[in-house]
Order: sequence, then C-alpha cells, then structure tokens
Amino acid sequence: AQSVTQLDSQVPVFEEAPVELRCNYSSSVSVYLFWYVQYPNQGLQLLLKYLSGSTLVKGINGFEAEFNKSQTSFHLRKPSVHISDTAEYFCAVSRLGAQKLVFGQGTRLTINP
Amino acid sequence: NAGVTQTPKFQVLKTGQSMTLQCAQDMNHNSMYWYRQDPGMGLRLIYYSASEGTTDKGEVPNGYNVSRLNKREFSLRLESAAPSQTSVYFCASRKTGTYNEQFFGPGTRLTVL
Repeated sequence: AQSVTQLDSQVPVFEEAPVELRCNYSSSVSVYLFWYVQYPNQGLQLLLKYLSGSTLVKGINGFEAEFNKSQTSFHLRKPSVHISDTAEYFCAVSRLGAQKLVFGQGTRLTINP
Repeated sequence: NAGVTQTPKFQVLKTGQSMTLQCAQDMNHNSMYWYRQDPGMGLRLIYYSASEGTTDKGEVPNGYNVSRLNKREFSLRLESAAPSQTSVYFCASRKTGTYNEQFFGPGTRLTVL
C-alpha cells in the first residue's frame, strides 16, 4: 500500500521569500505523484503532477516540484511567494493503474506581508 | 462545462437525522469518488465508483451509503447522522484510462449537532 507524509503541517513565510513544502511517500511499486492546492473555502485543484520522465515538474502559478526516487520525495517549491499563494497544499500518490489517490495530511501555507 | 457540482453547500443536521449529498459531473468521466476532509487528516476516501453500476468501499465507509445513479451522478447518504460525521465532504471524478488525476467539486460543509 502507498502512504504519504507531509512533513510540515504549517509553513509561515514572508511575501517574496522562497518556500519549500516537503512530501515523502512510501511505495514498493512505481507511482504517480501529485500536488493539489485548496484555496480558502474552495475545492482542490491540481497544481502539478509527475508521471514519468524529467524529475523536475513545473506547474501552475510558478510552482515546481522535484521527484527524487532514491529519497522517495516530491517536494514543492516556489522561488518567490505572493499573498495569493495562501492556501492548503496536499501531496498525493497513486499506484500506476490504480483507482485511488492517497493524500497526505496537508500543509497550510501562510504568507505574511 | 460546470465540472463537478455538489449540493448543498452547507447543511446542519441533528444527531439521528438522515440526508443525501448530491454530486454530478459533466465531463463524461467514468470514475467518481466521495472524500471527507478533517483538520490534520487530509482527505480520506469514503466510497468510490469505478464505473456506472459499481461501487466500492474506501478507507472510512462506516455510517455511509452511496448510489451511482447514472454516469453523471453519485450520491452519498447518511442514514443516521452522528457528530463524528461533522466534516467537509468532497466529490471528485476522473477519466478512466488516464493517470489518476481527479477533478474536485467545491465541497459540502456538514455539521451534526
């Protein structure tokens, strides 16, 4: 079975500072990896995904993530955050061909002016 | 395209009351899902439907039933609501044959008193 651990429940940063949200996963088989974002009082929307190929994945709103198979990690980064990035971020994993996504516990990103 | 829609947006129930949460998607997706979101626990899968006419239990199915009414609609029923079912409920859908990217509805915030 797959599992996902988001290492920080809350991350406060100042506006225009860089940020990294950490995600580790556990799986004995190949997986797909996802980051979703949830803005206040909204549903989840896909930020980016890793399926195969290049380990550096670029997503929407200037976010990117790097797949590291040896470390079983998929950390999310942004070089300069904006107030509008305030949201909760979820890492998720899926076994290839599986019906189900397994989500991490979420990381709340707070941007201070 | 409306994507995934959910009704109602908010609901307050008394312990023991029943209700049905409605979900519909207009993307011609085969698979549909019901999750609940609780603070610090991420999203947990309640039930899913891989295709019209099939349903399967997820991680936390106790106290819930589902109906896949047709390809578009997937409802979640609470027969006798309990305070432990206070949560935000999300419906999602995905297209079969692709990697497991799921599209989410806006959620239903349920409070059971």
